[in-house]
Amino acid sequence: EPEVTQTPSHQVTQMGQEVILRCVPISNHLYFYWYRQILGQKVEFLVSFYNNEISEKSEIFDDQFSVERPDGSNFTLKIRSTKLEDSAMYFCASTMGGANTGELFFGEGSRLTVL
Amino acid sequence: AQSVTQPDIHITVSEGASLELRCNYSYGATPYLFWYVQSPGQGLQLLLKYFSGDTLVQGIKGFEAEFKRSQSSFNLRKPSVHWSDAAEYFCAVGSYNQGGKLIFGQGTELSVKP
Repeated sequence: EPEVTQTPSHQVTQMGQEVILRCVPISNHLYFYWYRQILGQKVEFLVSFYNNEISEKSEIFDDQFSVERPDGSNFTLKIRSTKLEDSAMYFCASTMGGANTGELFFGEGSRLTVL
Repeated sequence: AQSVTQPDIHITVSEGASLELRCNYSYGATPYLFWYVQSPGQGLQLLLKYFSGDTLVQGIKGFEAEFKRSQSSFNLRKPSVHWSDAAEYFCAVGSYNQGGKLIFGQGTELSVKP
């Protein structure tokens, strides 16, 4: 069964460093997302991406964050200068869209620890 | 404000017992409703979804959920719990107009005792 894959599974970084989290969505999906879950808190929407541009972003997704689909398969989340509060599990998700809008397929997550 | 409430943070049930996990939502548009499960170290797996039609929906692993518009609820049920069901369960709400922007509940951690 096709699945969303994420790398790395865990990354430890120093505050102020740049981090790139990578995702390979399901191949025929058209909509891509990043969510995050701070330990003990809710899963929160960060950003949606369609047709090579951001469709929507939350207030969390400030100028320190960016997303890119550099080729036909990868979808990346970059945090330019990490802060302690960026420590979280980051989930990538994708969906076909259309009638199945909202039925997201999630990856296993990338745990980011900022020291 | 749009929100999802899962009132039970942690539930413990005996193996073979029935299970009901509660979910209430507040949402302005016609909701799409989802239950996801997360096992330790795993991603979020979709258990079932409600878009429209029959308000009782069946999902994977023997789970079902019932949409009650009057109560703004979408409770998850399973008649007989297995030890492998121990995991964290998340209720989420979205809509067609919101694309894949889902609002998640806090999650309910399920423990299963032998």
